[in-house]
Amino acid sequence: KNQVEQSPQSLIILEGKNCTLQCNYTVSPFSNLRWYKQDTGRGPVSLTIMTFSENTKSNGRYTATLDADTKQSSLHITASQLSDSASYICVVSPRLYGGSQGNLIFGKGTKLSVKP
Amino acid sequence: EAGVAQSPRYKIIEKRQSVAFWCNPISGHATLYWYQQILGQGPKLLIQFQNNGVVDDSQLPKDRFSAERLKGVDSTLKIQPAKLEDSAVYLCASSPQLGSTSISYEQYFGPGTRLTVT
Repeated sequence: KNQVEQSPQSLIILEGKNCTLQCNYTVSPFSNLRWYKQDTGRGPVSLTIMTFSENTKSNGRYTATLDADTKQSSLHITASQLSDSASYICVVSPRLYGGSQGNLIFGKGTKLSVKP
Repeated sequence: EAGVAQSPRYKIIEKRQSVAFWCNPISGHATLYWYQQILGQGPKLLIQFQNNGVVDDSQLPKDRFSAERLKGVDSTLKIQPAKLEDSAVYLCASSPQLGSTSISYEQYFGPGTRLTVT
């Protein structure tokens, strides 16, 4: 069964500190992996998208890594800011016959709280 | 570029009542999705449209949920009658094309409608 598991479930850090969020998936075959940020009361917004051939992608202070062999990804946030407080969702898209993308499979998210 | 619009933002109803949500996708986007997001969970796909045709509604509880996208633009999701377990955020998303192999294939989400069933 295609699944996406994230850890930790929640995390509290002080402003200015770094943190790393983890994602393990069992989706196979695999097309791409995304990290979304979801602020409270808002829809998810894409941070990074990586295909199976990429192992790192950055977007400002956000850096995602991917190990397709172990089916693990991480999202590293550098020099956290109060505005980073949100849920971070790992999303995997399976690769269908013919190479097209299947429907997105969402993890439950990690709730990050950045305190002053 | 205007984003995905949804209304209402919040709705409180009693169980067994009916409710409808509206979504206007980004202009020109052919594909429209409705997701249900229960508190503490990731979004779950309910239905996917390509223009005005249904591509995937395998996870839509069809005994009580219905959706339409008659003119291939905006869409309505209805619940009739509502149950307590329908309390969730209903997200609408749109994308330019269906099932592309390009990594630029992206889904853009609206702000959601938070439904509370009492």
